[in-house]
Amino acid sequence: EAQVTQNPRYLITVTGKKLTVTCSQNMNHEYMSWYRQDPGLGLRQIYYSMNVEVTDKGDVPEGYKVSRKEKRNFPLILESPSPNQTSLYFCASSPRPGTYEQYFGPGTRLTVT
Amino acid sequence: DAKTTQPNSMESNEEEPVHLPCNHSTISGTDYIHWYRQLPSQGPEYVIHGLTSNVNNRMASLAIAEDRKSSTLILHRATLRDAAVYYCILRPGADTGTASKLTFGTGTRLQVTL
Repeated sequence: EAQVTQNPRYLITVTGKKLTVTCSQNMNHEYMSWYRQDPGLGLRQIYYSMNVEVTDKGDVPEGYKVSRKEKRNFPLILESPSPNQTSLYFCASSPRPGTYEQYFGPGTRLTVT
Repeated sequence: DAKTTQPNSMESNEEEPVHLPCNHSTISGTDYIHWYRQLPSQGPEYVIHGLTSNVNNRMASLAIAEDRKSSTLILHRATLRDAAVYYCILRPGADTGTASKLTFGTGTRLQVTL
């Protein structure tokens, strides 16, 4: 089944403890991105990747890192999480950059205390 | 980025057609009109997109005004499973990273009742 998977789905952590949220797609998509969703602010893009080894900042990249070593994986790294990064995170992918439909993962709910 | 305006919420009876409007008066000639929806506790889901002509797919129809300043997403027979937040999004017609970004507004929350 074609899908985007994220792990973990739920995570509660403490300030400063490094964490990684994984994202994987099995559709051979070139384009992948990360969004966060907060009440009243909608979904905002954090980082995106046009292809392997090509990443760039979205609208809210501060406090996050990403890497794209393989086409299927696009992990989101929080080196030193803070409470303002408590949010619902979504990974998305599409066949290529541009006006193609994007497929979203199920989301990761992160709480930083 | 060109903005879209949608009603905050709409209600529909099950099995009835639903017309979800979107205004985008500042749309540029190369902007595509995309619709996504987000069901409760799920990630956004692509519904349909178009440029100038009306479009149909298995999920819905998209009617685009002749001047492209507005569009309407049509669900032909709403079911309880269609209850979601529906987002109308404009995207530049380019294959750049910036053009690929989806800018979600607040959308229209659709309630479907028996």
